[in-house]
Parts: sequence; C-alpha cells; structure tokens
Amino acid sequence: KAGVTQTPRYLIKTRGQQVTLSCSPISGHRSVSWYQQTPGQGLQFLFEYFSETQRNKGNFPGRFSGRQFSNSRSEMNVSTLELGDSALYLCATTFMGGNNQPQHFGDGTRLSIL
Amino acid sequence: EDKVVQSPLSLVVHEGDTVTLNCSYEVTNFRSLLWYKQEKKAPTFLFMLTSSGIEKKSGRLSSILDKKELFSILNITATQTGDSAVYLCAVESHSGTYKYIFGTGTRLKVLA
Repeated sequence: KAGVTQTPRYLIKTRGQQVTLSCSPISGHRSVSWYQQTPGQGLQFLFEYFSETQRNKGNFPGRFSGRQFSNSRSEMNVSTLELGDSALYLCATTFMGGNNQPQHFGDGTRLSIL
Repeated sequence: EDKVVQSPLSLVVHEGDTVTLNCSYEVTNFRSLLWYKQEKKAPTFLFMLTSSGIEKKSGRLSSILDKKELFSILNITATQTGDSAVYLCAVESHSGTYKYIFGTGTRLKVLA
C-alpha cells in the first residue's frame, strides 16, 4: 500500500510569509504527528492529530498550527515565518497512535526561509 | 523533563567493522523504545523494544533494551557502505496521551 505522502517536497519562503504543508497518511492510519528536524536538535515534536482533533502538542509557539480532515489527511501551517523555521518537517502516521505501534514517516518537506 | 540521549554523535568506520550505538533515556511512563534509520529522506523503522533482555535481530542488525539501567544498544556487524545513515532512537511515553521523544541521532559513515 502507498506510504505517507508529504507535499510539497521543497519550499522557499521569505521572512514574514506563511506556509501550509500537507501530509496524507497510509490508508487506514488515523493518527498523524508532525515533527521539525534541524541539525543538532533532532526531531522535535510539534503536534499530533487523531480523528480531526489535536490530541497532543509540543513546545512550539502559536505560529505553528495544524488541522486534520475527515479523510485523516493533515495540514500544518506556519505563520509569520522566521529564519529559524528553516528545517525539514516530517509527518509520521500510525493506525491509532501509541499502543506500541511504530510510526511511519513521510519523506518530509524541506522549508528554507530567506 | 523527558529526554533521550544518543552516543556517539558521529562515527566513521571501515567496511567489515562492528559498531555499537547507544541510547539512554529518562522518560516517565515508558511504553517502548524504537530505532529508526534515516538516510536522505524518511526515517525507516528498524526495531521496537518493550521488554528488557530480549534481543531483536534482523540480518546484521540487533538491538537490546535494559529497562533497569534505562538504555538500549543497536549493534551492526560486518558493516557495509549502505549502512551509512543517521540512526535515531525514540521512546514512546504514555501519560494520559502518548508521545514519542527522539534523540538527536548518531551519524554513521562506513568507508569502503
């Protein structure tokens, strides 16, 4: 079956703009988590959605937001972009989250802020 | 605060060498520990460990968990250039809701 699909793969923006990233989970997966990956910081958890509800949230400012649709696809939005937002944004999905299930990752969206 | 620490940060070896990667953790309500391999793109799942002392094995890779000492190791024997990657360790925690805490990874480079 198809894996986790993230679009776009690459994005270049300037400071102050906003951006929306998309994640389509593996068919049947209802939990979608978002991570920010930067050199030296590893994967930092942003938030997790399950059944269209944000179930868990990391320590990121309110400029980072997300949502999930009824088909489990999820979007992540970052407003008022800053240089420090340059990173690889990964989404990971599981059937229902937790319960000793490994997460399956997409290839990520590489966001560069000029 | 929950944390996962991996060591070494980076490692350069020659083909045929054996390597051991370390992951220690301080996490409340531990559920499981996972290892991933990340080349240029998506991290790919290697192992999930929930019980102490039980080795998981897949080809040349193996991993074991010690829940008393709060660490795990990932061994790779007879390394190949294709093993070059970043190896990520993550711990699943469940305190009402679940979350995964990742280490910063170990960057392994295998030279021909």
